[in-house]
Amino acid sequence: DTAVSQTPKYLVTQMGNDKSIKCEQNLGHDTMYWYKQDSKKFLKIMFSYNNKELIINETVPNRFSPKSPDKAHLNLHINSLELGDSAVYFCASSQDQGSTDTQYFGPGTRLTVL
Amino acid sequence: DAKTTQPTSMDCAEGRAANLPCNHSTISGNEYVYWYRQIHSQGPQYIIHGLKNNETNEMASLIITEDRKSSTLILPHATLRDTAVYYCIVRVMGMINFGNEKLTFGTGTRLTIIP
Repeated sequence: DTAVSQTPKYLVTQMGNDKSIKCEQNLGHDTMYWYKQDSKKFLKIMFSYNNKELIINETVPNRFSPKSPDKAHLNLHINSLELGDSAVYFCASSQDQGSTDTQYFGPGTRLTVL
Repeated sequence: DAKTTQPTSMDCAEGRAANLPCNHSTISGNEYVYWYRQIHSQGPQYIIHGLKNNETNEMASLIITEDRKSSTLILPHATLRDTAVYYCIVRVMGMINFGNEKLTFGTGTRLTIIP
């Protein structure tokens, strides 16, 4: 009964390749997010979607393209992978409830670009 | 940029109360204080949040000073599984946010529970 799941857990690939990370939540939440945690452990927002609509785009290169086919899914596609894309990517979801929209995070996808 | 200041690291003996401080001197009247933690190799986990009153749940207690410029997260009986990085975050809340309220993580406090 995993709340927020991500696949794959580990992804190792060569520079220049295109790859996708999938995220699914079974919490019935309206909003989903992608965060990136770099090698120095800084955790930063990349995107948020509300009801399949892009809300936040935090100056992320155009090579990153999120896609939300439905409210329960937010996938992250990355074109022309670069060494600096190596990081752990976390998906999260929340339900807009005014003062209580706690974000629930997935287990993360560790991307290594060689 | 993070609006909070936390000590880089702390140790606490197993079974004792762990008190994690956080300064947020520029907090606005409509900003809440949130605490999350990240256990090694896992996603961040929500702990507790509050506006101005002290809060308690099954995981922890949150004490917010009267001027709201600082707060303390209390883990009443720390266990080895509480070893993690703890993040104090301030964020605006209020009406439905429609996905516009991101979490801005700082560097957090690395709490180590010692047997």
